[in-house]
Amino acid sequence: NAGVTQTPKFQVLKTGQSMTLQCAQDMNHNSMYWYRQDPGMGLRLIYYSASEGTTDKGEVPNGYNVSRLNKREFSLRLESAAPSQTSVYFCASSETAENTGELFFGEGSRLTVL
Amino acid sequence: AQSVTQLDSQVPVFEEAPVELRCNYSSSVSVYLFWYVQYPNQGLQLLLKYLSGSTLVESINGFEAEFNKSQTSFHLRKPSVHISDTAEYFCAVSGGGSYIPTFGRGTSLIVHP
Repeated sequence: NAGVTQTPKFQVLKTGQSMTLQCAQDMNHNSMYWYRQDPGMGLRLIYYSASEGTTDKGEVPNGYNVSRLNKREFSLRLESAAPSQTSVYFCASSETAENTGELFFGEGSRLTVL
Repeated sequence: AQSVTQLDSQVPVFEEAPVELRCNYSSSVSVYLFWYVQYPNQGLQLLLKYLSGSTLVESINGFEAEFNKSQTSFHLRKPSVHISDTAEYFCAVSGGGSYIPTFGRGTSLIVHP
């Protein structure tokens, strides 16, 4: 059982370049999330999707866009990367919108913007 | 709005010693509480959770946490740590109409031989 799969695991970009982080889950979960993790800051929510066809902003959405492609896949796009977006990005999923908050995480995507 | 405070950013301890990682939350309604663990270069995984019922919850690898409503705390404890427990630990809270958990900033547990 793969759980939550993220690609790529590592990426180096130059300022101004664009890229998309891919996330897929095979647990038939309804809700999916994108977090970023920075030293001393914990996890901060970028965007989430409560169910297929819906997306909402989280705590730090500026500079990002998302697409809930189908029930399994939730992508995160950086249109014009900035050094401040250097971070480790985690995708997560949960069963339903009424879920108690238990999330299942991918292994992370480490992004460096030069 | 909910918030979580993890009082220690780093906790060094010797192997086989006891450890406590502190977590306080603020919420005016019923909450669900979680501890997640992140081993080096991995994603987070659920360690234990409090949803309702007994205020003392345990994990399969010897950790336990106690929900204290009056002190709004959910501290994580282990009576004897191993080198393999070295990891980052995150406390999280959800509930009160918001199913999305809010995470603390994390506590790095460093177990020395």
